[in-house]
Amino acid sequence: AQSVTQLGSHVSVSEGALVLLRCNYSSSVPPYLFWYVQYPNQGLQLLLKYTSAATLVKGINGFEAEFKKSETSFHLTKPSAHMSDAAEYFCAVSDRKTGNQFYFGTGTSLTVIP
Amino acid sequence: EPEVTQTPSHQVTQMGQEVILRCVPISNHLYFYWYRQILGQKVEFLVSFYNNEISEKSEIFDDQFSVERPDGSNFTLKIRSTKLEDSAMYFCASHRTSGTYQETQYFGPGTRLLVL
Repeated sequence: AQSVTQLGSHVSVSEGALVLLRCNYSSSVPPYLFWYVQYPNQGLQLLLKYTSAATLVKGINGFEAEFKKSETSFHLTKPSAHMSDAAEYFCAVSDRKTGNQFYFGTGTSLTVIP
Repeated sequence: EPEVTQTPSHQVTQMGQEVILRCVPISNHLYFYWYRQILGQKVEFLVSFYNNEISEKSEIFDDQFSVERPDGSNFTLKIRSTKLEDSAMYFCASHRTSGTYQETQYFGPGTRLLVL
């Protein structure tokens, strides 16, 4: 069965520090992976997605994620955190077996400390 | 930029009451979804809808739930007789094209439902 695990429901970083949000997935077939961000009172906004092209995916707002098949991971990173990055981040997986469904992780709340 | 909208943003209801959650998907989108997130848990798929019928549904989506696209713009989720465990954030999503698993789904801001 497909699933996503996000380690760390809350992550705090200092402004300017590296952001690392972890996502591990399970899928018996090649997956498609997505990171979404939710700012307060807003919808889930796509940050980036992996669809079997380059393993290093660049997204909006300076975020990027690397697909590592051997580790079944798709961690989200940003070299230097900004205050505006404070939000909830969700990792999701889909594949040809899930059909139209996305399977989400529980989310990680990112706090940026000035 | 077009976006998915949802109303109301918050809804409080008594157990056993019917609720209707409303969504306006992006206008040229063809596939519509409802997901929910119980506090502290994962965002879970409920149902997908295409061409005026349900295309997939999860085990959560039992006979108490129904969806409808009544007028070509709105997409609604009805819970006939709410239970305490229906308290959650409900997200609507949509996308335009062929409905493959590669397509980005565009999400609304959610409706927070509290059943007392």
